[in-house]
Amino acid sequence: DGGITQSPKYLFRKEGQNVTLSCEQNLNHDAMYWYRQDPGQGLRLIYYSQIVNDFQKGDIAEGYSVSREKKESFPLTVTSAQKNPTAFYLCASSRAGLHQETQYFGPGTRLLVL
Amino acid sequence: KNEVEQSPQNLTAQEGEFITINCSYSVGISALHWLQQHPGGGIVSLFMLSSGKKKHGRLIATINIQEKHSSLHITASHPRDSAVYICAAINNNDMRFGAGTRLTVKP
Repeated sequence: DGGITQSPKYLFRKEGQNVTLSCEQNLNHDAMYWYRQDPGQGLRLIYYSQIVNDFQKGDIAEGYSVSREKKESFPLTVTSAQKNPTAFYLCASSRAGLHQETQYFGPGTRLLVL
Repeated sequence: KNEVEQSPQNLTAQEGEFITINCSYSVGISALHWLQQHPGGGIVSLFMLSSGKKKHGRLIATINIQEKHSSLHITASHPRDSAVYICAAINNNDMRFGAGTRLTVKP
């Protein structure tokens, strides 16, 4: 059955290390998104991609990088340049368009940097 | 001031009560999205609407574009409705999220 998977559910890293969060979808969606959620705050857009081999920065892209080599996959790398990486990361996808269609969310990855 | 404000921040209700969660936004929008976040963190889209009212089961969402306000209603609330409800305002290619309303429904 179709959906979005994120792995791992929990991730622990030492400060200064890069870490890559996985996001895969089998919904045949063109658009994919990465959001960050912090306690008491709304979701904030990190990066988005409307089509394979293309992606755009969101509101808080500094310290993050992405790639979109395949339609199904949109991995997010949290680099050592991200000053406060501990957060809950959510991946989403939609059929097309930036925010113009219903987004389907993955279960999220909780990153804790020690 | 956030562009999208939700109220209340926290809401506790008894099973069977009628619930209303409010969302106000300060920007012009093309659509508004209501999302439900379960205790484990997973998010489910409930409604996307640009005018009027939508209903799905016990959930009803309304929007008043002129007043820049939307409400999410839950009829005959149940403990399984306990979750964080998030509204998001869509303006062209931009989507701004509220901080969420945490709903707890007690049996």
